[in-house]
Parts: sequence; C-alpha cells; structure tokens
Amino acid sequence: EAGVAQSPRYKIIEKRQSVAFWCNPISGHATLYWYQQILGQGPKLLIQFQNNGVVDDSQLPKDRFSAERLKGVDSTLKIQPAKLEDSAVYLCASSLDQIVYEQYFGPGTRLTVT
Amino acid sequence: SQKIEQNSEALNIQEGKTATLTCNYTNYSPAYLQWYRQDPGRGPVFLLLIRENEKEKRKERLKVTFDTTLKQSLFHITASQPADSATYLCALEVVGRQLTFGSGTQLTVLP
Repeated sequence: EAGVAQSPRYKIIEKRQSVAFWCNPISGHATLYWYQQILGQGPKLLIQFQNNGVVDDSQLPKDRFSAERLKGVDSTLKIQPAKLEDSAVYLCASSLDQIVYEQYFGPGTRLTVT
Repeated sequence: SQKIEQNSEALNIQEGKTATLTCNYTNYSPAYLQWYRQDPGRGPVFLLLIRENEKEKRKERLKVTFDTTLKQSLFHITASQPADSATYLCALEVVGRQLTFGSGTQLTVLP
C-alpha cells in the first residue's frame, strides 16, 4: 500500500512570497489533515477535511493560509503572503475516516522563509 | 489552560534496558491517547492507541498505560535497541475534537 505523498520536500522563499504544498493521501482514506510542526514542537492541526468538506479549520490563519481538497482526494495548502514565523515542516496525514483514529503521515515539506 | 507535557529533557538509556517515557496532561478529558514515533526528516508513525477505559495495552516490546486519575500515560520500550532511538510523541483526542500532540521526548539508546 502506497503511503501519503507530499511535494515538494523542501522549499525556500522570501517573506511576502506565496507557496503551495500538495498532498496525495492513501487511497480510500476519507479524512485528510494538514499539520504545522515547528522545530522542537509537536504537530499542530491546521485543517481537517472529511472527503471534500472542512471539518475543523479553527487553527488555520485564514488571512494568509488556504486549503482545498477537490474531489475528496488530493489537497493543496497555500500560504500567501508568507511570514518568517511560517518556517516549519508542513505535514499531511490521512485516516480511513473520522471514526478510525490511526493517522498516517507523509514525509512533510520543510519550508524556510527568509 | 490545557497542557500536554512530555519528559522535558532527552532520555539516554543503555541498550537492553527498559525506556519509560511520560506524558502528563491537564484540563483534558481525553477519550483516547495515542503514541507516535518520529525519526528526523520523517512524519510521525502510529504506534499504539489506548482508550480511557483501558489501563494497559501491549504490542511486542511496547507497553502503554493510561491513568485518568493521575492524568498520565507511561510508554515503555523493553529490551531497548539502538534502532529505537527517535522522538516519541503522545497525542490526546477528546471526543468530537482534534488530536492534540505533545512536544515529544527524544530517546537515544546507547550500544
């Protein structure tokens, strides 16, 4: 079974630029999550999708972050404009559905904002 | 305020010994508690889940306990090996809410 795929793996941008991350979850997984992990901290949930609907985006900075999951499969997370404090690893995870609690994580995208 | 605390410092143990990692929480009533392993440059990998009505769960060399009175979970790795060296994350789930992670404990098993 293929795991969660993410791209790019690394990205360096200047502040005020925009950036987009892509995630392809495990086939058949209805629930998709985007997390932000700052160095030395645990992952923090940004947004959770169930199929192509948003379940929880309470911690997403909506003035600069946006995410979509078209057709209930792939997802993109965008930051526009980026700030220095957005430097982090962005992790995508998926689970079979909301009721099954085991989450499968992708390798993450390491973003550096200079 | 709600807080999840894991061993504040890195843990170094000798190969073959039992590693014990701690996860304490305040102002939560979690329905589930999970443990994940994270290696450098990789995403977390699920290890074990324990429910609020379970005291203990085992999987091979791993054992998790969950004490809702003490608001604490202990994660044990018996007969530890250098390959067990990683960061271990605990995560709490309250019914109907998101999974919240601790900051992790970095474990090093010395040969």
